[in-house]
Amino acid sequence: DVKVTQSSRYLVKRTGEKVFLECVQDMDHENMFWYRQDPGLGLRLIYFSYDVKMKEKGDIPEGYSVSREKKERFSLILESASTNQTSMYLCASSSTRTSLGAKNIQYFGAGTRLSVL
Amino acid sequence: AQSVTQLGSHVSVSEGALVLLRCNYSSSVPPYLFWYVQYPNQGLQLLLKYTSAATLVKGINGFEAEFKKSETSFHLTKPSAHMSDAAEYFCAVSDRRGSTLGRLYFGRGTQLTVWP
Repeated sequence: DVKVTQSSRYLVKRTGEKVFLECVQDMDHENMFWYRQDPGLGLRLIYFSYDVKMKEKGDIPEGYSVSREKKERFSLILESASTNQTSMYLCASSSTRTSLGAKNIQYFGAGTRLSVL
Repeated sequence: AQSVTQLGSHVSVSEGALVLLRCNYSSSVPPYLFWYVQYPNQGLQLLLKYTSAATLVKGINGFEAEFKKSETSFHLTKPSAHMSDAAEYFCAVSDRRGSTLGRLYFGRGTQLTVWP
């Protein structure tokens, strides 16, 4: 089974802190994604990556950056955390270089619930 | 960009009743279509996926969805609801080609409540 692991389930940080959220996948997927999930807004894409050292902005990249130094690891960075970044953060991975049945299926981690005080 | 509309942010049914969760997409070219489920405090789990084969797709836990090109819809159904089906359900689409290949566009979700 595909496994996507997010390093923390719950995180509490203070305003202005630099925050790292880590995500690791074990399926050699080339694509990785970071979303935030807020009630009534569904999942909103922050950043995604098609390959090592490559990144693309999603719909809400402001206030965030990402790093992908190794294929299996995709990090989300909040340079200076703010209270409006309190949210659930979900990481996912997928492959487009696979059979049609598996193409584009995203596999999700359990999520990190971040509170910024 | 693609967009997905899920009609009804909350749906309530009695145990044993039919479940119908609605999803419409906007695309001139039929995309790949997905339904995901999220149980409390968990990530999303794939229920089923439409590629380009049969228009009626069967998924896990007795769910199925029908792709209707003329209506640009991909509604999720289950003949008989179970208490364990209570969760949030997300419809998603992805492009078949182009630079956004691999990206999913999600609807806002529908919270399903099942009454005993």
